[in-house]
Amino acid sequence: NAGVTQTPKFQVLKTGQSMTLQCAQDMNHNSMYWYRQDPGMGLRLIYYSASEGTTDKGEVPNGYNVSRLNKREFSLRLESAAPSQTSVYFCASRATGGYSPLHFGNGTRLTVT
Amino acid sequence: GQQLNQSPQSMFIQEGEDVSMNCTSSSIFNTWLWYKQEPGEGPVLLIALYKAGELTSNGRLTAQFGITRKDSFLNISASIPSDVGIYFCAGIIQGAQKLVFGQGTRLTINP
Repeated sequence: NAGVTQTPKFQVLKTGQSMTLQCAQDMNHNSMYWYRQDPGMGLRLIYYSASEGTTDKGEVPNGYNVSRLNKREFSLRLESAAPSQTSVYFCASRATGGYSPLHFGNGTRLTVT
Repeated sequence: GQQLNQSPQSMFIQEGEDVSMNCTSSSIFNTWLWYKQEPGEGPVLLIALYKAGELTSNGRLTAQFGITRKDSFLNISASIPSDVGIYFCAGIIQGAQKLVFGQGTRLTINP
């Protein structure tokens, strides 16, 4: 099983450029999440989707948009990238019901110059 | 919002030593999770705890769900070089869609 797959693995953008980070999971999970990880800041939630057709803001949503394309896919879009968005981005998924854990992808390392 | 205080932030130990780290909160959690992250990869689940007082082992790793439901610890016995990484705790509150993460403990091992 592939689990959670993120593309691309690396990306360099110039300030003001836009891009979409892709995420897909093959575990039939209902909930999907986008986090960013910065040195000394741990994991911060950007947006999440509790189920297909719904999305909600996390701790740090400004500058981002998301789309839950279907049950498998959850994309994160930067409309106008800023240097403050330089980070490592992780997608994760989990089954709803009970207290099921998150399963993470391997991340996208984004640099904005 | 809820916060998890994870300590220590970093540890430098000799191979073969035991390791202990913990997470505390002012909030009550129904689930505690411990993850490990290696360089260039996403966090991987090590242990999940679902009941207050629960003590669970996974090889050389042992974790406990605190009896007050506000804390958890992770122990690693007889550390080896491949234990190097960042360890995160995470808590889930009943009915919550979101997990709360600790800041992580960076473990470095001298051979």
